[in-house]
Amino acid sequence: KAGVTQTPRYLIKTRGQQVTLSCSPISGHRSVSWYQQTPGQGLQFLFEYFSETQRNKGNFPGRFSGRQFSNSRSEMNVSTLELGDSALYLCASSSGVSDTQYFGPGTRLTVL
Amino acid sequence: AQSVTQLGSHVSVSEGALVLLRCNYSSSVPPYLFWYVQYPNQGLQLLLKYTSAATLVKGINGFEAEFKKSETSFHLTKPSAHMSDAAEYFCAVSDRDSSASKIIFGSGTRLSIRP
Repeated sequence: KAGVTQTPRYLIKTRGQQVTLSCSPISGHRSVSWYQQTPGQGLQFLFEYFSETQRNKGNFPGRFSGRQFSNSRSEMNVSTLELGDSALYLCASSSGVSDTQYFGPGTRLTVL
Repeated sequence: AQSVTQLGSHVSVSEGALVLLRCNYSSSVPPYLFWYVQYPNQGLQLLLKYTSAATLVKGINGFEAEFKKSETSFHLTKPSAHMSDAAEYFCAVSDRDSSASKIIFGSGTRLSIRP
């Protein structure tokens, strides 16, 4: 089985812009979670989608949003980018409830 | 609230020596516990997972971890370090009673291997 894929791998944006990141889960997985990784804050949970519904959400501002499509692919959007949004954004998929999460390689976002 | 604490942000061992990475958790109910490894510029790879089937969990690449409820610990060990083990290791916890998949990660421990 192919693993979790994320596109793009690298992205450079300027403050005030918006960005959309994409994640394709492992075939058959219906849950997709997003995490932000920074040197200062470590790995932080953003949100989780299961069968196109947001099932859980972390403590991030409303500028961070996501969605999931019927094929389980997920997108994450960040509007009005700030310098502090520079991070590695990781996506993870699992088959469902309390199951092992498998991570993609991440998208490294740099905000200038 | 659940949390994990990893003792030591950086651990350095000689090649062939024992690897011990420490993790303590805080949870009101028996949790799921994980160890993940991250190599430079890569995502996270699952090393092992504790689900209560056995307190000693064997993972990939020769790693294992022991769940000790009395000590609320889940330390990661490997008898003999290899140069290829150099990476960052994350201990993590999730609530087994939760209907959602949400993992709380520790701050990570960077493992260096000396020749």
